[in-house]
Amino acid sequence: GAGVSQTPSNKVTEKGKYVELRCDPISGHTALYWYRQSLGQGPEFLIYFQGTGAADDSGLPNDRFFAVRPEGSVSTLKIQRTERGDSAVYLCASSLKPDSYEQYFGPGTRLTVT
Amino acid sequence: AQSVSQHNHHVILSEAASLELGCNYSYGGTVNLFWYVQYPGQHLQLLLKYFSGDPLVKGIKGFEAEFIKSKFSFNLRKPSVQWSDTAEYFCAVKDSSYKLIFGSGTRLLVRP
Repeated sequence: GAGVSQTPSNKVTEKGKYVELRCDPISGHTALYWYRQSLGQGPEFLIYFQGTGAADDSGLPNDRFFAVRPEGSVSTLKIQRTERGDSAVYLCASSLKPDSYEQYFGPGTRLTVT
Repeated sequence: AQSVSQHNHHVILSEAASLELGCNYSYGGTVNLFWYVQYPGQHLQLLLKYFSGDPLVKGIKGFEAEFIKSKFSFNLRKPSVQWSDTAEYFCAVKDSSYKLIFGSGTRLLVRP
């Protein structure tokens, strides 16, 4: 079956602009996670959804970052007033349940803020 | 807060050499441990995991890892690497929350 998909694969935006990054999880997976990977670092947790609700958003760096999952499937990560420090690869993962053994990762969206 | 340390940032080996990548974590409670691999141009894939039971776990492609609770370690090993093992390897831990905490990764280059 299809894996986790993310669009766009690359996004270049100017400082101060608003961006939306989309994640389409594996069908039937109830848990969805967003991570951010900066150059030379491992992925860092941003937010986790169980169904439609954000169960843990402790990793969001500030209030410019927001994510939604209105129907419990597709999720959108929204970044307002982008800054150059937001440049990174944004990864999405899903799992069948929150306590499932494996999180399946998507290919990521590479965001570059100029 | 939990943290994961990977001591080797870059490793270069020749084919058939043995591999051991170090991983230490800070959490003292019950943890689930993972190694993920990212091959060039591909996304993160699970290599192996430890949840309970036998502390020596075997994963795909001949990799194995040993959980040593007293040392807070979960080192990755392979007896004989191949050129196709060239990739970046990430150790990760999951505690009672559901998020993964990753180390900074180790880039492995295997020379043919």
